[in-house]
Amino acid sequence: AQKITQTQPGMFVQEKEAVTLDCTYDTSDQSYGLFWYKQPSSGEMIFLIYQGSYDEQNATEGRYSLNFQKARKSANLVISASQLGDSAMYFCAMREGYSGSARQLTFGSGTQLTVLP
Amino acid sequence: GAVVSQHPSWVICKSGTSVKIECRSLDFQATTMFWYRQFPKQSLMLMATSNEGSKATYEQGVEKDKFLINHASLTLSTLTVTSAHPEDSSFYICSAGLAGNSYNEQFFGPGTRLTVL
Repeated sequence: AQKITQTQPGMFVQEKEAVTLDCTYDTSDQSYGLFWYKQPSSGEMIFLIYQGSYDEQNATEGRYSLNFQKARKSANLVISASQLGDSAMYFCAMREGYSGSARQLTFGSGTQLTVLP
Repeated sequence: GAVVSQHPSWVICKSGTSVKIECRSLDFQATTMFWYRQFPKQSLMLMATSNEGSKATYEQGVEKDKFLINHASLTLSTLTVTSAHPEDSSFYICSAGLAGNSYNEQFFGPGTRLTVL
């Protein structure tokens, strides 16, 4: 079974509007972390936001927020006030086990977001 | 944030030759480094995990003898693609992690684009 599922291969959004990128995950661990990364055409992976499984509040970072619904095992990324520079591939990823960055990440298949002027 | 560099950023080689890719953590000591492979428009697939001073742990289906990983110091890991063939052409990305709970995110290098002719 897929551990991270992103069901939207491509998304379009009008500039200045909000967009939600979907991510569902599958794990039997109680402790895990969920990440969103942005990958522009240059290829670099840009960290956007992190949500720990025990965090009670949804994570927010500027225009990015993570809609964490633990019971549904979903961790959707919300980008508010989209900008042309937001056009990129977005990956959801999960780390299973206790916190710390020395653990491997499992990535979803990604969503290609295009912001229209 | 922590910086990870990769060298070279792109390389073109002839079939049958070997190529070495370096991954360096510039301003921190990385206890663990990860090597990913990404084909065009696809997700990142973990190839191997390396810990300083010990042998790398390879993911299922990754040939150890073809993709040699060395993590000789806390700031440097190398991936050598031996006897490269056109099907090895891909985008290779490393990331570095820190042991302990201080950080959640891994720090990614900018990637190396390998083209085998």
